[in-house]
Amino acid sequence: SAVISQKPSRDICQRGTSLTIQCQVDSQVTMMFWYRQQPGQSLTLIATANQGSEATYESGFVIDKFPISRPNLTFSTLTVSNMSPEDSSIYLCSVFEGDGYTFGSGTRLTVV
Amino acid sequence: KQEVTQIPAALSVPEGENLVLNCSFTDSAIYNLQWFRQDPGKGLTSLLLIQSSQREQTSGRLNASLDKSSGRSTLYIAASQPGDSATYLCGAAGNKLTFGGGTRVLVKP
Repeated sequence: SAVISQKPSRDICQRGTSLTIQCQVDSQVTMMFWYRQQPGQSLTLIATANQGSEATYESGFVIDKFPISRPNLTFSTLTVSNMSPEDSSIYLCSVFEGDGYTFGSGTRLTVV
Repeated sequence: KQEVTQIPAALSVPEGENLVLNCSFTDSAIYNLQWFRQDPGKGLTSLLLIQSSQREQTSGRLNASLDKSSGRSTLYIAASQPGDSATYLCGAAGNKLTFGGGTRVLVKP
C-alpha cells in the first residue's frame, strides 16, 4: 500500500487566516482525495484532485474556500481559506490503489 | 446517491466477547467495500477490503462479509481486547468512497 505523509499534524489558527495542508505519497497515483471530518462526525469528501487539471469539488464545497493544488503525481495541497471556528475539523488526504484506499494521518485544525 | 448506515452507533462489551458491527448501503453498484479503524484524533487504518465479487475477507481475528444484493456488510471481531477500542468505519466505493457514521467500540478489561 502507498504511504502518505501529511503535515502539519495539527494547528491552531486565528479566524480569518489560511492554512495549507500538504500530502506526499511515496508512489505515483492518478487521483488524490481530500476529506473533512467535523467533530463527532464521519468523513465527507471535499474534492478529488487530478494531476494537470482542476480539482472536482463535491456539493457544498467551493474552490475559493478550499483551493487545491496537484503539481505532480505524488503531491497535493489543500488550503483552508479565511477560516472561521466552523472550519475546526480533521482534514485527511487519501489515495486509491488496487488494494483499496489509504489515508494520511490527518491534520487536526482548531480555529480560534 | 449512495447512503451508508452503521448500526449500532456505539457498543460497549467486556473483554473476550465477540463484536458484530453492521454496515448497510443503498446503492449496490459498488466496486468494493472497505472497513477502517480510527483512533481518537487520528487518521484511518484500513482493516479489510472486500471486492464486489467476493463474499468475505479474513485477517487474523477479523472477518468481514459482503452481501451486495441486500446492501449489507458485517465486520466480526473475535475475542475482543481492550486494544480493539476505537471507531470502526465502513466505506462503500462506487464512483467515490462514501462513509457510514461509524461504530464507536469500547472493550472493557
